[in-house]
Amino acid sequence: GQQVMQIPQYQHVQEGEDFTTYCNSSTTLSNIQWYKQRPGGHPVFLIQLVKSGEVKKQKRLTFQFGEAKKNSSLHITATQTTDVGTYFCAGPSWGKFQFGAGTQVVVTP
Amino acid sequence: DGGITQSPKYLFRKEGQNVTLSCEQNLNHDAMYWYRQDPGQGLRLIYYSQIVNDFQKGDIAEGYSVSREKKESFPLTVTSAQKNPTAFYLCASSSTGVGNQPQHFGDGTRLSIL
Repeated sequence: GQQVMQIPQYQHVQEGEDFTTYCNSSTTLSNIQWYKQRPGGHPVFLIQLVKSGEVKKQKRLTFQFGEAKKNSSLHITATQTTDVGTYFCAGPSWGKFQFGAGTQVVVTP
Repeated sequence: DGGITQSPKYLFRKEGQNVTLSCEQNLNHDAMYWYRQDPGQGLRLIYYSQIVNDFQKGDIAEGYSVSREKKESFPLTVTSAQKNPTAFYLCASSSTGVGNQPQHFGDGTRLSIL
């Protein structure tokens, strides 16, 4: 079955630095979505990518969908303490989503 | 405000007991989902429903049951057959169930064993 894998599992970042988290699927995706879960909270939808090679930006967050629509990345510039949390990617498969295991981000002031 | 309401926030289960977690949405969404999240891990799909009176098993349905008698409601029962029920349970909904719409999550229910 379809698997969505995320790396790294953990990311320790110094405040002000940049980092990237990656999402890879074993099959082609019609779209990919990214969610953020703050500690103790619930996942919140961030963005959806649909087109091959698509790039979308939300302030300091840049999301990219691979040309083959099997991978995606989230790049955060100038990390802030508010970026703390776990970032999940998710890909659809016949009406349900397959979530990746997430990248847990810890920011050091 | 539109949203998803899960209750209770915390729940304790005794050995051999069934417990039911509530999930209600007023977003007029067709699709609803139940996920289980264990500490430090991702979301695993338990059951999902794309329309009233219909639901399908997810990846870890054993020991759980659901019903979808109303569009707004999708309760999850954790049965005594689920031997390791301690986890964070999240309910979600999306406007349709075709996999192209964002999911909106409730605040979750934390279930523990007494």
